[in-house]
Amino acid sequence: DSGVTQTPKHLITATGQRVTLRCSPRSGDLSVYWYQQSLDQGLQFLIQYYNGEERAKGNILERFSAQQFPDLHSELNLSSLELGDSALYFCASSATPRLAPYEQYFGPGTRLTVT
Amino acid sequence: GQQLNQSPQSMFIQEGEDVSMNCTSSSIFNTWLWYKQDPGEGPVLLIALYKAGELTSNGRLTAQFGITRKDSFLNISASIPSDVGIYFCAGKGNEKLTFGTGTRLTIIP
Repeated sequence: DSGVTQTPKHLITATGQRVTLRCSPRSGDLSVYWYQQSLDQGLQFLIQYYNGEERAKGNILERFSAQQFPDLHSELNLSSLELGDSALYFCASSATPRLAPYEQYFGPGTRLTVT
Repeated sequence: GQQLNQSPQSMFIQEGEDVSMNCTSSSIFNTWLWYKQDPGEGPVLLIALYKAGELTSNGRLTAQFGITRKDSFLNISASIPSDVGIYFCAGKGNEKLTFGTGTRLTIIP
Protein backbone atom coordinates (compact mmCIF):
# COMPACT_ATOMS: atom_id res chain seq x y z
CA ASP A 1 0.00 0.00 0.00
CA SER A 2 1.58 3.24 -1.22
CA GLY A 3 -0.54 5.45 1.03
CA VAL A 4 -2.08 7.22 -1.97
CA THR A 5 -5.82 6.67 -2.30
CA GLN A 6 -7.99 7.15 -5.34
CA THR A 7 -11.73 6.99 -5.82
CA PRO A 8 -13.64 5.61 -7.51
CA LYS A 9 -11.89 2.40 -8.52
CA HIS A 10 -14.06 2.00 -11.61
CA LEU A 11 -16.20 4.45 -13.53
CA ILE A 12 -18.42 3.76 -16.51
CA THR A 13 -20.05 6.69 -18.27
CA ALA A 14 -21.35 7.79 -21.64
CA THR A 15 -19.82 10.03 -24.24
CA GLY A 16 -20.39 13.71 -23.64
CA GLN A 17 -20.58 13.31 -19.87
CA ARG A 18 -18.39 14.81 -17.17
CA VAL A 19 -16.68 12.93 -14.35
CA THR A 20 -14.51 13.78 -11.36
CA LEU A 21 -11.70 11.59 -10.09
CA ARG A 22 -10.40 12.05 -6.59
CA CYS A 23 -6.97 11.52 -5.08
CA SER A 24 -5.61 11.79 -1.56
CA PRO A 25 -1.81 11.94 -1.37
CA ARG A 26 0.39 10.21 1.17
CA SER A 27 0.45 11.89 4.53
CA GLY A 28 2.88 14.80 4.40
CA ASP A 29 3.26 14.86 0.62
CA LEU A 30 2.65 18.28 -0.90
CA SER A 31 2.86 17.41 -4.58
CA VAL A 32 0.26 15.55 -6.60
CA TYR A 33 0.62 14.31 -10.16
CA TRP A 34 -1.98 12.94 -12.57
CA TYR A 35 -1.20 10.41 -15.28
CA GLN A 36 -3.21 8.72 -18.01
CA GLN A 37 -2.47 5.18 -19.13
CA SER A 38 -4.30 3.84 -22.15
CA LEU A 39 -4.48 0.11 -22.87
CA ASP A 40 -0.99 -1.41 -22.99
CA GLN A 41 0.57 2.02 -23.14
CA GLY A 42 3.01 3.89 -20.97
CA LEU A 43 2.19 6.58 -18.48
CA GLN A 44 1.40 9.98 -19.92
CA PHE A 45 1.90 12.88 -17.54
CA LEU A 46 -1.10 15.19 -17.38
CA ILE A 47 -0.57 17.77 -14.68
CA GLN A 48 1.18 18.46 -11.36
CA TYR A 49 0.11 20.47 -8.34
CA TYR A 50 2.26 21.55 -5.44
CA ASN A 51 0.71 22.83 -2.24
CA GLY A 52 -2.42 23.93 -4.01
CA GLU A 53 -0.88 25.53 -7.06
CA GLU A 54 -0.40 24.22 -10.56
CA ARG A 55 3.27 23.41 -11.06
CA ALA A 56 3.64 21.70 -14.41
CA LYS A 57 1.48 20.67 -17.32
CA GLY A 58 1.92 17.77 -19.65
CA ASN A 59 -0.28 16.57 -22.46
CA ILE A 60 -3.51 17.50 -20.78
CA LEU A 61 -6.49 18.20 -23.02
CA GLU A 62 -8.43 21.42 -22.64
CA ARG A 63 -11.48 19.33 -21.73
CA PHE A 64 -9.60 18.15 -18.64
CA SER A 65 -8.85 20.22 -15.58
CA ALA A 66 -7.58 19.60 -12.08
CA GLN A 67 -7.20 21.30 -8.76
CA GLN A 68 -5.59 20.69 -5.39
CA PHE A 69 -7.48 21.71 -2.31
CA PRO A 70 -6.19 23.15 1.01
CA ASP A 71 -6.26 19.69 2.59
CA LEU A 72 -3.98 18.62 -0.32
CA HIS A 73 -6.39 16.21 -1.93
CA SER A 74 -6.76 16.64 -5.65
CA GLU A 75 -9.51 16.20 -8.20
CA LEU A 76 -9.22 15.60 -11.92
CA ASN A 77 -12.25 16.71 -13.92
CA LEU A 78 -12.86 15.21 -17.34
CA SER A 79 -15.60 16.73 -19.46
CA SER A 80 -17.21 16.18 -22.86
CA LEU A 81 -15.93 12.64 -22.64
CA GLU A 82 -15.00 10.76 -25.78
CA LEU A 83 -14.47 7.05 -26.35
CA GLY A 84 -10.72 7.66 -26.54
CA ASP A 85 -10.68 8.95 -22.99
CA SER A 86 -11.19 5.42 -21.72
CA ALA A 87 -8.06 4.65 -19.75
CA LEU A 88 -6.55 4.14 -16.34
CA TYR A 89 -5.98 7.39 -14.52
CA PHE A 90 -3.33 7.40 -11.83
CA CYS A 91 -2.53 9.87 -9.16
CA ALA A 92 0.92 9.99 -7.61
CA SER A 93 2.35 12.04 -4.79
CA SER A 94 5.77 13.10 -3.65
CA ALA A 95 7.13 15.10 -0.76
CA THR A 96 8.46 18.12 -2.63
CA PRO A 97 9.34 18.33 -6.31
CA ARG A 98 12.69 20.08 -5.95
CA LEU A 99 14.31 18.27 -3.04
CA ALA A 100 15.28 14.62 -2.79
CA PRO A 101 13.74 12.19 -2.41
CA TYR A 102 12.05 12.69 -5.79
CA GLU A 103 10.22 9.42 -5.71
CA GLN A 104 6.60 9.49 -6.74
CA TYR A 105 4.23 7.02 -5.11
CA PHE A 106 1.25 5.90 -7.13
CA GLY A 107 -2.32 5.22 -6.14
CA PRO A 108 -4.27 2.16 -7.33
CA GLY A 109 -5.83 4.10 -10.21
CA THR A 110 -9.31 4.78 -11.53
CA ARG A 111 -10.39 2.79 -14.56
CA LEU A 112 -12.61 4.99 -16.73
CA THR A 113 -14.72 3.40 -19.42
CA VAL A 114 -16.56 5.69 -21.81
CA THR A 115 -19.33 3.98 -23.78
CA GLY B 1 4.46 13.08 -25.18
CA GLN B 2 8.13 12.39 -24.68
CA GLN B 3 9.03 8.87 -23.56
CA LEU B 4 12.18 7.01 -22.83
CA ASN B 5 13.13 4.01 -24.91
CA GLN B 6 13.10 0.78 -23.00
CA SER B 7 14.35 -2.52 -24.27
CA PRO B 8 13.41 -5.18 -24.70
CA GLN B 9 9.69 -4.51 -25.12
CA SER B 10 8.91 -7.97 -23.82
CA MET B 11 10.74 -10.92 -22.38
CA PHE B 12 9.76 -14.55 -22.04
CA ILE B 13 11.94 -16.41 -19.59
CA GLN B 14 11.92 -19.48 -17.41
CA GLU B 15 11.74 -19.34 -13.67
CA GLY B 16 15.20 -19.05 -12.18
CA GLU B 17 16.71 -17.14 -15.08
CA ASP B 18 18.32 -13.74 -14.72
CA VAL B 19 16.76 -10.75 -16.48
CA SER B 20 18.33 -7.59 -17.85
CA MET B 21 16.56 -4.55 -19.26
CA ASN B 22 17.63 -1.02 -20.02
CA CYS B 23 16.37 2.44 -20.64
CA THR B 24 17.93 5.10 -22.86
CA SER B 25 17.25 8.75 -23.43
CA SER B 26 18.48 11.56 -25.62
CA SER B 27 18.29 13.84 -22.58
CA ILE B 28 20.34 13.88 -19.40
CA PHE B 29 18.52 13.00 -16.22
CA ASN B 30 19.58 13.62 -12.63
CA THR B 31 17.43 10.87 -11.18
CA TRP B 32 16.38 7.46 -12.46
CA LEU B 33 13.54 5.46 -10.97
CA TRP B 34 12.39 1.92 -11.69
CA TYR B 35 8.77 0.85 -11.19
CA LYS B 36 6.88 -2.43 -11.53
CA GLN B 37 3.23 -2.52 -12.51
CA ASP B 38 0.90 -5.48 -12.12
CA PRO B 39 -2.20 -5.63 -14.36
CA GLY B 40 -4.81 -3.08 -13.33
CA GLU B 41 -2.69 -1.79 -10.46
CA GLY B 42 -0.63 1.31 -9.89
CA PRO B 43 3.14 1.28 -10.47
CA VAL B 44 5.18 0.37 -7.43
CA LEU B 45 8.57 1.97 -6.87
CA LEU B 46 11.41 -0.55 -6.86
CA ILE B 47 14.66 1.42 -6.91
CA ALA B 48 15.72 5.07 -7.01
CA LEU B 49 19.11 6.22 -8.36
CA TYR B 50 20.50 9.70 -7.76
CA LYS B 51 24.10 9.70 -8.91
CA ALA B 52 25.80 8.84 -12.19
CA GLY B 53 27.49 5.47 -11.89
CA GLU B 54 25.47 4.54 -8.82
CA LEU B 55 24.66 0.86 -8.39
CA THR B 56 21.78 0.06 -6.03
CA SER B 57 20.23 -3.24 -4.99
CA ASN B 58 16.84 -4.14 -3.58
CA GLY B 59 16.80 -7.87 -2.87
CA ARG B 60 17.21 -9.70 -6.16
CA LEU B 61 16.95 -6.44 -8.09
CA THR B 62 19.97 -4.33 -9.04
CA ALA B 63 19.83 -1.08 -10.96
CA GLN B 64 22.54 1.20 -12.28
CA PHE B 65 22.58 4.88 -13.20
CA GLY B 66 24.58 5.16 -16.42
CA ILE B 67 27.76 7.23 -16.44
CA THR B 68 26.48 9.37 -19.32
CA ARG B 69 23.29 10.08 -17.29
CA LYS B 70 21.32 9.13 -20.37
CA ASP B 71 20.68 5.53 -19.50
CA SER B 72 19.88 3.10 -16.73
CA PHE B 73 19.82 -0.66 -16.33
CA LEU B 74 17.77 -3.06 -14.23
CA ASN B 75 18.74 -6.65 -13.50
CA ILE B 76 16.64 -9.27 -11.78
CA SER B 77 18.41 -12.37 -10.57
CA ALA B 78 16.87 -15.83 -10.19
CA SER B 79 13.42 -14.79 -11.40
CA ILE B 80 10.33 -16.09 -9.60
CA PRO B 81 6.66 -16.14 -10.70
CA SER B 82 5.78 -12.93 -8.82
CA ASP B 83 8.30 -11.02 -10.95
CA VAL B 84 5.78 -11.13 -13.80
CA GLY B 85 4.55 -7.68 -14.78
CA ILE B 86 5.56 -4.55 -16.63
CA TYR B 87 8.70 -2.72 -15.60
CA PHE B 88 8.95 1.00 -16.25
CA CYS B 89 11.94 3.24 -15.98
CA ALA B 90 11.44 6.92 -15.28
CA GLY B 91 13.89 9.77 -15.62
CA LYS B 92 13.68 13.05 -13.82
CA GLY B 93 15.09 16.21 -15.37
CA ASN B 94 13.55 19.25 -13.75
CA GLU B 95 10.45 18.38 -11.77
CA LYS B 96 8.67 16.14 -14.22
CA LEU B 97 9.13 12.39 -14.51
CA THR B 98 9.34 10.99 -18.02
CA PHE B 99 8.38 7.33 -18.22
CA GLY B 100 9.77 4.62 -20.42
CA THR B 101 7.68 2.52 -22.76
CA GLY B 102 7.86 -0.49 -20.44
CA THR B 103 9.27 -4.00 -20.54
CA ARG B 104 6.71 -6.78 -20.13
CA LEU B 105 8.14 -9.78 -18.30
CA THR B 106 6.49 -13.18 -18.71
CA ILE B 107 7.67 -16.34 -17.01
CA ILE B 108 7.17 -19.53 -18.96
CA PRO B 109 6.25 -22.51 -16.81
